[in-house]
Amino acid sequence: AQTVTQSQPEMSVQEAETVTLSCTYDTSESDYYLFWYKQPPSRQMILVIRQEAYKQQNATENRFSVNFQKAAKSFSLKISDSQLGDAAMYFCAYTVYGNKLVFGAGTILRVKS
Amino acid sequence: DAGVTQSPTHLIKTRGQQVTLRCSPKSGHDTVSWYQQALGQGPQFIFQYYEEEERQRGNFPDRFSGHQFPNYSSELNVNALLLGDSALYLCASSPGLDRNTGELFFGEGSRLTVL
Repeated sequence: AQTVTQSQPEMSVQEAETVTLSCTYDTSESDYYLFWYKQPPSRQMILVIRQEAYKQQNATENRFSVNFQKAAKSFSLKISDSQLGDAAMYFCAYTVYGNKLVFGAGTILRVKS
Repeated sequence: DAGVTQSPTHLIKTRGQQVTLRCSPKSGHDTVSWYQQALGQGPQFIFQYYEEEERQRGNFPDRFSGHQFPNYSSELNVNALLLGDSALYLCASSPGLDRNTGELFFGEGSRLTVL
């Protein structure tokens, strides 16, 4: 069965500093997608970043980057220059092409001013 | 360009009742998926609709059923409500299965409370 594990229920970061959220997953597939989604208190899930498993290069979107370790089945999210608006629940998710998303339990990120 | 819209945003039901939740996908999307998110947890996949047919189903009982209309909008029906059905129900849309990159676009959800 495909599973996604986020071992950090809650993280805190000082504004302007860097924080890393951890995610591991389990799959027997060789080709798949990994995502980090952000869910602020307004509830709408927003895509932060996406990684295709066949790509060795780590994805980057402005202040957000990932460290994708395929052999270790690890997919961490690094947020640089943290801002107050980054405070939210972050979900790591996995999917095989065209299929359902499997989500982790989430990590609450708190940003201190 | 309208995103994914869901209705109602909040509703309260009592045990044993039935509920219908509605979803309109993002423009250009024809695949709709439904997820259940219990408080403090990650979303759980209920089912996916494409070409008006249920294509995939998660581990949910038959009390959960759905429908997709020719305009790609979708409904989620839950019968014989239980207290444990209280959750945020998320609708997500994506392009057709042959154009799907895996990314889903989510609505704001329908918060169901069962008393």
